[in-house]
Amino acid sequence: GAGVSQTPSNKVTEKGKYVELRCDPISGHTALYWYRQSLGQGPEFLIYFQGTGAADDSGLPNDRFFAVRPEGSVSTLKIQRTERGDSAVYLCASSLTGGVDTQYFGPGTRLTVL
Amino acid sequence: AQSVTQPDIHITVSEGASLELRCNYSYGATPYLFWYVQSPGQGLQLLLKYFSGDTLVQGIKGFEAEFKRSQSSFNLRKPSVHWSDAAEYFCAVGADGNKLVFGAGTILRVKS
Repeated sequence: GAGVSQTPSNKVTEKGKYVELRCDPISGHTALYWYRQSLGQGPEFLIYFQGTGAADDSGLPNDRFFAVRPEGSVSTLKIQRTERGDSAVYLCASSLTGGVDTQYFGPGTRLTVL
Repeated sequence: AQSVTQPDIHITVSEGASLELRCNYSYGATPYLFWYVQSPGQGLQLLLKYFSGDTLVQGIKGFEAEFKRSQSSFNLRKPSVHWSDAAEYFCAVGADGNKLVFGAGTILRVKS
């Protein structure tokens, strides 16, 4: 079956604008994760969903960042009032049930804030 | 707090030579440890993982890793590197039962 997909692959926006990044997990996976990878660094955890609910949002940097997963499948990461420091690759991963299950990563969305 | 250190930012090896990428972790309990590889334009791909049991773990593409609790290490090895192994490698520890904490990565270059 298909892997994790993310759209768009690239997004260029201006400082202060609002952006949405979409993640389609592997079918049947109940757990979904968002990570952010800045240049020269490893991915950093943002938020974890189990089903429709955010089970752990401790990695969201501030209240400009928000994520939803209304039907327990597709997730959208929303960033308000973007700043240049938000420029990074945003990675989505899914796993079958969460916990220690293997996380399968999508190709990422490269966000550039001008 | 959990953390992962990959001391080598870049490593260059000749094709056919052996490889060892270092990883040290900090975690209070029994760690769940992972190695992922990331090629340009590709998503992170799992090479191998350690949960418990045998401390020598075999993965895909001929990679293996050894968990050493006394040294808090989980080094990745391959006996003979191929040009296609050139990529960035990330070590990660499973934290709080769900999220992964990654190291900064090691970029592997392969000389022909």
